[in-house]
Amino acid sequence: QSALTQPRSVSGSPGQSITISCTGTSSDVGGYNYVSWYQHHPGKAPKLMMFDVDKRPSGVPDRFSGSKSGNTASLTISGLQAEDEADYYCCSYAGSFTLLYVFGTGTTVTVL
Amino acid sequence: QITLKESGPTLVKPTQTLTLTCTFSGFSLTTSGVGVGWMRQPPGKALEWLALIFWDDGKRYSPSLKTRLTITKDTSKNQVVLTMTNMDPADTGSYFCAQAFSADWFFDPWGQGTLVTVSS
Repeated sequence: QSALTQPRSVSGSPGQSITISCTGTSSDVGGYNYVSWYQHHPGKAPKLMMFDVDKRPSGVPDRFSGSKSGNTASLTISGLQAEDEADYYCCSYAGSFTLLYVFGTGTTVTVL
Repeated sequence: QITLKESGPTLVKPTQTLTLTCTFSGFSLTTSGVGVGWMRQPPGKALEWLALIFWDDGKRYSPSLKTRLTITKDTSKNQVVLTMTNMDPADTGSYFCAQAFSADWFFDPWGQGTLVTVSS
């Protein structure tokens, strides 16, 4: 099973909105509402930013939102801030009989 | 507060077995629904899920690595151990552990990770 496909990089100016896509198949993203997103600053612990497609954990700013359409999930960051510059990974449950989880290829967000 | 920390060798030789320990606090692996997962990230590459163990000792492995991985838990020490046999330079990367849940499918929180280099 291949990794979920994400754009290699996305950039935006402070205050702008950006969207990171995460494309899988009907066996993972399209088959379950269990897509999560992680923010990773290199050298630090990855941080959960979104789970179950569009649920924000406590403490995550509401500038972050999630959605899904078909086999593609998306993470949108509104009002981009300098601290949002990081790597972002999506992850999907992929069923209980083979691969349990599949991660995305990762997207580097740059704040211009 | 829940914390997890990975530990193990920073350098292993090809063909050797890697043993990594995840020591956690703030939760118990005897609690129904709780699990601990392991992921890795080769330099410059994406995260990859490796293995998962649940409170009831249920275990799941990545199909591509299943023959090389073993995950165990020691609830008295609040530790989860991952072993990976026949290490190869391609296994070089950062290895992370994180709390998981059987009723939902995400990882939170994560440890900071430990870098493992496979080289002779």
